[in-house]
Amino acid sequence: AQTVTQSQPEMSVQEAETVTLSCTYDTSESDYYLFWYKQPPSRQMILVIRQEAYKQQNATENRFSVNFQKAAKSFSLKISDSQLGDAAMYFCAYRRYNAGNNRKLIWGLGTSLAVNP
Amino acid sequence: GAVVSQHPSRVICKSGTSVKIECRSLDFQATTMFWYRQFPKQSLMLMATSNEGSKATYEQGVEKDKFLINHASLTLSTLTVTSAHPEDSSFYICSTQHGSSYEQYFGPGTRLTVT
Repeated sequence: AQTVTQSQPEMSVQEAETVTLSCTYDTSESDYYLFWYKQPPSRQMILVIRQEAYKQQNATENRFSVNFQKAAKSFSLKISDSQLGDAAMYFCAYRRYNAGNNRKLIWGLGTSLAVNP
Repeated sequence: GAVVSQHPSRVICKSGTSVKIECRSLDFQATTMFWYRQFPKQSLMLMATSNEGSKATYEQGVEKDKFLINHASLTLSTLTVTSAHPEDSSFYICSTQHGSSYEQYFGPGTRLTVT
C-alpha cells in the first residue's frame, strides 16, 4: 500500500523568505501523481501544484516549486518570497496514475505553516 | 478550477437525529465524488467514494449504514449521517472528479455539531 509522510508538523518562515516543506512517500508503482494542497483557515482545499512521476522536470507554479526526487521518493515544496497569505496547512498527496476505479488520494498528515511579518 | 458547493456550511443537530449534507458540482459532470472527514488540525480521512449510479465504496472502518451516500446524478451527491452522536461532530468535505482526470475539486466543507 502506498503511504505519504510529512515529517514536519509545524514550520514557520519570515515574510519574503523561502521555506521548504518536506514529503516522502512509498510506492511500488512507477507512474503516479503527486500533489501539494493548501488548506487556509477557511478550510477550503486548494491545489497548489502537481507532478507527474514520468516527468523529470520539476513542476513550478509562480512562487511555488517542487523538488521531485523519484529514486529517493521525495517530493518537497519550496515557497519563495513567502507572503502572509501563504499561512495554512499544507498537505502532500499521492494518486495512482492508471487508477481505474481506485482514484483516491493518499494523504500526508500535513504541515502547518506560519508566516511571520 | 471547477466549482463545488456544499450545503449546509454549518449544522447543529440533536443526538439521535439524522442530518443530510449535499455536495454539488456546479460546472461539470462529476462521475466520481469523494467524502472526507477531518478532525481539527488533522489530515483528511476518506470515508467513501461515490460513483454516479452505483453504490458507494466505503473505506474500512466506516459504517455504511450510519453514513448513507447517494450519488443519484452527475452533479449531486448526498451524505446522510443517521442517528447522529456527539462523536460524529466533525468537518465533512466532499470533492469531485471527472472521468479519469487527475484532479479533485473540493467543496468548502460542512461543520457538523451534534449536541
